[in-house]
Amino acid sequence: GQQVMQIPQYQHVQEGEDFTTYCNSSTTLSNIQWYKQRPGGHPVFLIQLVKSGEVKKQKRLTFQFGEAKKNSSLHITATQTTDVGTYFCAARSSGNTGKLIFGQGTTLQVKP
Amino acid sequence: GAGVSQSPRYKVAKRGQDVALRCDPISGHVSLFWYQQALGQGPEFLTYFQNEAQLDKSGLPSDRFFAERPEGSVSTLKIQRTQQEDSAVYLCASSLNWVGVRGGSYGYTFGSGTRLTVV
Repeated sequence: GQQVMQIPQYQHVQEGEDFTTYCNSSTTLSNIQWYKQRPGGHPVFLIQLVKSGEVKKQKRLTFQFGEAKKNSSLHITATQTTDVGTYFCAARSSGNTGKLIFGQGTTLQVKP
Repeated sequence: GAGVSQSPRYKVAKRGQDVALRCDPISGHVSLFWYQQALGQGPEFLTYFQNEAQLDKSGLPSDRFFAERPEGSVSTLKIQRTQQEDSAVYLCASSLNWVGVRGGSYGYTFGSGTRLTVV
């Protein structure tokens, strides 16, 4: 079935350093969503990308959708301790379904 | 309500026991989803509803798992004869609809989950 692969699985950074997580699919995606899950918490919706090559920003977070709509990235500039958590990409499964397929997530640790 | 509410927050079940997990979605949200999340993993799809209709149950691991949403609002996920491999966090999410406009979808709002431990 359809899968979305995320790398890296873990990332440890010093506070103030940048961070990037990548999401890849073997099939063309209609859209992609990003979620953040704090330790002990539940996933929280961050953003959705729909158009080829789309770039969206939320303060220090930059989200990008690839030209071929098969990959996406999330970049955080100048990380803060509040950025700690696991970041998931999620893509709608192919076919006429509302099912979202989640990647394995990238867990970010930030050292103060 | 203001968010998605799940109960109980924690459940410890003896192996072989039946459990029922409840999800109260955001009022007016048509779509409701159940996911299973093992420690250190991403959420795995179980099933979803559009109003009261169960449109996809392809993720349910076995016939011991059953979900319903009889009136199109509250949903219950039932697990019969629980086994140790059923131990996980069960997340419920709702969204305005499963399909949006211009190729988009609506984002999910997740509940806090039910942590099930089978001993």
